[in-house]
Amino acid sequence: NAGVTQTPKFRVLKTGQSMTLLCAQDMNHEYMYWYRQDPGMGLRLIHYSVGEGTTAKGEVPDGYNVSRLKKQNFLLGLESAAPSQTSVYFCASSVPGGRETQYFGPGTRLLVL
Amino acid sequence: AQTVTQSQPEMSVQEAETVTLSCTYDTSESDYYLFWYKQPPSRQMILVIRQEAYKQQNATENRFSVNFQKAAKSFSLKISDSQLGDAAMYFCAYRHDYGGSQGNLIFGKGTKLSVKP
Repeated sequence: NAGVTQTPKFRVLKTGQSMTLLCAQDMNHEYMYWYRQDPGMGLRLIHYSVGEGTTAKGEVPDGYNVSRLKKQNFLLGLESAAPSQTSVYFCASSVPGGRETQYFGPGTRLLVL
Repeated sequence: AQTVTQSQPEMSVQEAETVTLSCTYDTSESDYYLFWYKQPPSRQMILVIRQEAYKQQNATENRFSVNFQKAAKSFSLKISDSQLGDAAMYFCAYRHDYGGSQGNLIFGKGTKLSVKP
C-alpha cells in the first residue's frame, strides 16, 4: 500500500514550457486535491476533484489545469510555466466526510527559471 | 470567508519540556472541524490531531492535546514531553462541514518548531 505518490519529485522548467504532474493513490479515495506551498504562505488549494471525471477550482487555480480520468489518478498541468509557479506541489486524497483526514503525497518541487 | 491565523512564525522548546502553538480562526459557521498537521524536514504532511466543533471535550493523542475555545475561535496545540522528532512545521487547518458536503481545508501559514537537546 503505497498511499499517495507523486511524479516527478523535482523538476526544473524554463519559462513558457509545459509539464504535467502526476498524482496516484491506491486507497480508493473519492476526493483528490492539488495544493501549492510557498514560503510563509502555508498550503493553498489549486484544484480538487470529488470523483472520477469531475474537477473544481480552488483558491489559486489560474495557470493550472487538472484532469481526473481515472479514480486513482489526478493530473495537474502547467500549460505555460511562469517563475511565479515555482513552488512545492502537494497532492492529497481523502474519503468524503468533514472529519476525514487528507492523506498527502511527498511533494514535487518545481523550479521555473 | 474563513481564515486561519497562526501568529507565531517560529517557536523553540527544550527537549522534555512543554510547548503550546497558537491558532485562531474566523468563521460564521457552527459546524466545522479543526486539524493540526505536522510537516517535518522530509516535507511529508502528517495529521497530528483533529477536533470536531460540536465536541466540548478537547482532543488528545498521546503527548499532543488541544485547547479548543469555540467562543474565542481559538485552537491551540500543546506538545508535552517534547522530543527531537517533534521539530517540524506545524499547520493549523479548518474545514467547514456542510452536513453531507464538506468544505475544503483552509490552512494557516504555519509555525516552525525547534527542539533543543
